[in-house]
Amino acid sequence: DQQVKQNSPSLSVQEGRISILNCDYTNSMFDYFLWYKKYPAEGPTFLISISSIKDKNEDGRFTVFLNKSAKHLSLHIVPSQPGDSAVYFCAASAGSGGSNYKLTFGKGTLLTVNP
Amino acid sequence: GAVVSQHPSWVICKSGTSVKIECRSLDFQATTMFWYRQFPKQSLMLMATSNEGSKATYEQGVEKDKFLINHASLTLSTLTVTSAHPEDSSFYICSAREGFSQETQYFGPGTRLLVL
Repeated sequence: DQQVKQNSPSLSVQEGRISILNCDYTNSMFDYFLWYKKYPAEGPTFLISISSIKDKNEDGRFTVFLNKSAKHLSLHIVPSQPGDSAVYFCAASAGSGGSNYKLTFGKGTLLTVNP
Repeated sequence: GAVVSQHPSWVICKSGTSVKIECRSLDFQATTMFWYRQFPKQSLMLMATSNEGSKATYEQGVEKDKFLINHASLTLSTLTVTSAHPEDSSFYICSAREGFSQETQYFGPGTRLLVL
């Protein structure tokens, strides 16, 4: 039972354009969402997060949007750069911290930004 | 800062042998460490959560006697796959959390295990 779904295994965009990566979740207990970026041979690194009390969080070129009623979130990267090419994982947890809060991950989306 | 290392990065073993994977937080003390497994084209699946000095908490369906976790210090956790079988072949990745925030959970580069 996949509680966090990233239905697009890959996405290809042109440098300078917007990249939109999507994520859906099914567990209504999830109230904290994170995006991770992963380069080959490296572990995932934290990119941006959003709490369910917000519908948008922005950090430089990265913006995450949350639609709670649709159980959907998206990561926007604008403008996209070749260095953004990586696998992006969406993750969710019931709570933002604490000793036993666990992350549930999606399968990831491979983003390729073409020069 | 916030570097997590794993050793080895790649291991091949014969069926029936045991394999130990180390996870170290190099420049911070980890209150909690996590072990994940990722099969090809699948998501990272949490196997267990461990806090230093206490027994690990395993996720449903993960055999604690097969996947032994030791978290002896605030910078080191080990995962031992005992009596490994070909179906245990997977990508094992650890993470270490500094403090209690999800944002301060840092991941290692992973260990690829192939059991012949």
